[in-house]
Amino acid sequence: SQQGEEDPQALSIQEGENATMNCSYKTSINNLQWYRQNSGRGLVHLILIRSNEREKHSGRLRVTLDTSKKSSSLLITASRAADTASYFCATPTSGGQNFVFGPGTRLSVLP
Amino acid sequence: DSGVTQTPKHLITATGQRVTLRCSPRSGDLSVYWYQQSLDQGLQFLIQYYNGEERAKGNILERFSAQQFPDLHSELNLSSLELGDSALYFCASSPLAGRTDTQYFGPGTRLTVL
Repeated sequence: SQQGEEDPQALSIQEGENATMNCSYKTSINNLQWYRQNSGRGLVHLILIRSNEREKHSGRLRVTLDTSKKSSSLLITASRAADTASYFCATPTSGGQNFVFGPGTRLSVLP
Repeated sequence: DSGVTQTPKHLITATGQRVTLRCSPRSGDLSVYWYQQSLDQGLQFLIQYYNGEERAKGNILERFSAQQFPDLHSELNLSSLELGDSALYFCASSPLAGRTDTQYFGPGTRLTVL
């Protein structure tokens, strides 16, 4: 099955700075999703990017997808303390209808 | 608030016991997914139900079972519990069963096995 691997595992930045996290996966996909999880809470869907899209924006979020490199990046601009969370990429499995989540990137935004 | 509810929020039990976790999906969603999240294993997909039928199976142990009822709520049964079963258990729902469906997660049930 495919699996996304986020990089870095942890990231600490100052408020106002941009945060970039990456996701690499192993086999061809038709879409990739990013989710956020605040400590001990449920995951919240952020954005879905399809394989025929290269870039997508949602508010302060910018996601890119490079299918030739099998990688995606999530950029959070002008970060805020409230952005402190873990971020996961999710890729669909090849034969099934479910997703595989990577181990996540823990982002800390310091005030 | 995602619209997905899970009960109970916390559960403390002993090894060897059996527990049932309950999930109510968002109104209108037909698919329910169960995940286990632990520190060492990350977020692991357990099982998916779609409109009452099992649709996909992940890393679910034989000691665990699930079902989805006609009103679309779902239950995850964990039996012969071991210390290693201590984890956060999440339920998620989606409208259909497609790979492009957004999954909406519940707040989770924290299970502690002593």
